[in-house]
Amino acid sequence: TQLLEQSPQFLSIQEGENLTVYCNSSSVFSSLQWYRQEPGEGPVLLVTVVTGGEVKKLKRLTFQFGDARKDSSLHITAAQPGDTGLYLCAGDVQGAQKLVFGQGTRLTINP
Amino acid sequence: DTAVSQTPKYLVTQMGNDKSIKCEQNLGHDTMYWYKQDSKKFLKIMFSYNNKELIINETVPNRFSPKSPDKAHLNLHINSLELGDSAVYFCASSLGGGTGDEQFFGPGTRLTVL
Repeated sequence: TQLLEQSPQFLSIQEGENLTVYCNSSSVFSSLQWYRQEPGEGPVLLVTVVTGGEVKKLKRLTFQFGDARKDSSLHITAAQPGDTGLYLCAGDVQGAQKLVFGQGTRLTINP
Repeated sequence: DTAVSQTPKYLVTQMGNDKSIKCEQNLGHDTMYWYKQDSKKFLKIMFSYNNKELIINETVPNRFSPKSPDKAHLNLHINSLELGDSAVYFCASSLGGGTGDEQFFGPGTRLTVL
């Protein structure tokens, strides 16, 4: 059983479209991080959200932490081919002393 | 300057062999980690060390033994390799021991067991 469920697992869209990736759990997180991983490389942190209901923007990417701190979403506006990659959410489970990762969303933006 | 480096990048070996992967970070971080990423891209923590002390040991077979000679290095030795050990292994580091801290990942070591 996955502690963090990401959806969709695969997403292929055309350049210029908008998309949303979801990260859901029944557990409460102290914080939640989003990472992006390119082929042949390690994940790189995009953002950390800490407060329930928090919204953070990174250029065309908008991250939201659920009010109950159990879920998060990543919205990309006007997707570009450079946005292609594996997006991973990772939750800091209260008291567990570790990050738990979702299974990732593999995003492909076609020119 | 590479922040978190791993060697080797690729490792191909036969079942039953013993192999090691080395990791070094030059960020001055206190905490280092080993993760395993399987073929479905699921990233799972194996071990974490804080200032050379073992903090997390997830239910990993005891064929896997991490060693931290100093806080800048965390190596992973694997005995009696099995087919199921094939995966990409990532080393990571963070400034403190707080799991909310940003983790900096190395480029990964792709292990293939034949």
